[in-house]
Amino acid sequence: GESVGLHLPTLSVQEGDNSIINCAYSNSASDYFIWYKQESGKGPQFIIDIRSNMDKRQGQRVTVLLNKTVKHLSLQIAATQPGDSAVYFCAENSNYQLIWGAGTKLIIKP
Amino acid sequence: GAGVSQSPSNKVTEKGKDVELRCDPISGHTALYWYRQSLGQGLEFLIYFQGNSAPDKSGLPSDRFSAERTGGSVSTLTIQRTQQEDSAVYLCASSTEVQYSGNTIYFGEGSWLTVV
Repeated sequence: GESVGLHLPTLSVQEGDNSIINCAYSNSASDYFIWYKQESGKGPQFIIDIRSNMDKRQGQRVTVLLNKTVKHLSLQIAATQPGDSAVYFCAENSNYQLIWGAGTKLIIKP
Repeated sequence: GAGVSQSPSNKVTEKGKDVELRCDPISGHTALYWYRQSLGQGLEFLIYFQGNSAPDKSGLPSDRFSAERTGGSVSTLTIQRTQQEDSAVYLCASSTEVQYSGNTIYFGEGSWLTVV
């Protein structure tokens, strides 16, 4: 069946370092892949998306990489800040719904 | 309003009682989604609306769950005879259209339901 999963449930990084959050997906037919950030007690917030015909997309301090050969998606956050502490979810678009991974908690060490 | 609004933000109810959760989407958004999120887990899709129509209700966990949307705007999710396993955060989201094509889906803050 369709599934999106994350390799690491928790990631600790030093403030100022780069963070890389990984995600695996299984549905080759998905046309969009999206990253969301969820802070404690809040709803998910859109970060960046990438279309399936692309392999890289950059935003402000964030880069998403898509490797369709191995069905792998990653989110890179440059110069990680305390405000980046959150749970990060990847999701893939399959028709009318998003299929979500379990999430990775990003912890910033001072 | 400026964003997706949900109420109540917190609800504690006794097992067996009915609860009603409300979602007020962003004005003009035709697509509305309900998700459920258990503690420390990802989002579980429940149902979506295109206007007032819900083409697919298969994500609803049981027949105790129902949802409706009126006037292409406000939606209510009703859980009858609540059980402890219904305890979760119920998230509502809206978007300009159902089919994702780069259009951002906006989430509300969620309704935290605790069944005791």
